[in-house]
Amino acid sequence: EVQLVESGGGLEQPGRSLRLSCSGSGFNFEHHSMSWVRQAPGRGLEWIGFISSRPYGATTHYAASLKDRFTISRDDSKNVAYLQVNSLRSEDTAVYYCARHAGMTQDLWGQGTLVTVSS
Amino acid sequence: QSALTQPRSVSGSPGQSVTISCTGTTNDVAIYDFVSWYQHHPRKAPKLITYDVNKRPSGVPDRFAGSKSGSTASLTISGLQADDEADYYCCSYVDGNTWLFGGGTHVTVL
Repeated sequence: EVQLVESGGGLEQPGRSLRLSCSGSGFNFEHHSMSWVRQAPGRGLEWIGFISSRPYGATTHYAASLKDRFTISRDDSKNVAYLQVNSLRSEDTAVYYCARHAGMTQDLWGQGTLVTVSS
Repeated sequence: QSALTQPRSVSGSPGQSVTISCTGTTNDVAIYDFVSWYQHHPRKAPKLITYDVNKRPSGVPDRFAGSKSGSTASLTISGLQADDEADYYCCSYVDGNTWLFGGGTHVTVL
């Protein structure tokens, strides 16, 4: 089955760091760029950032408002993409999704992992 | 950069058509034909409905149609069905491998 599964969410304290994982299966993971997107409670989708496929250099790009605390990486040997979030804030509370790219479109999404930032 | 502008909600009766607008700027929607629409049911993965303005992935019925004029993209759902009740988001490529989502529109089937 072609799917993406996010993991690593949970309750975290403000100021801590967190690494989320996105595991892909059923498709050639290394050939696809990936994005991370989040949805805060009661809010819309917010694009966080992108990592290109390795043939394109695994380059990363981020939303201007978020780039300082967020880092995206990938390990194609494990079919996994990662999102590192540093200096967690309450406003980082959200469901975090990863999405596979086909061309300029995010064509396949996971079901998300919930991150709650609270003391 | 601010989110693309979508109406908060639209509604229609079964069988009717509804259209959701998505207004951007000359930095995004107006200059790139990379607008996609997603259907999002609560607690589920968002689903791609249309991409590259007016293309549909396999398996998406032709009741869903995307279009664009200037800085505004639109999604029209024809023959509204109960299962169409969901949140819908537009998304546009901006530049430099960055993307921007709309604020989302809740479609209610009356």
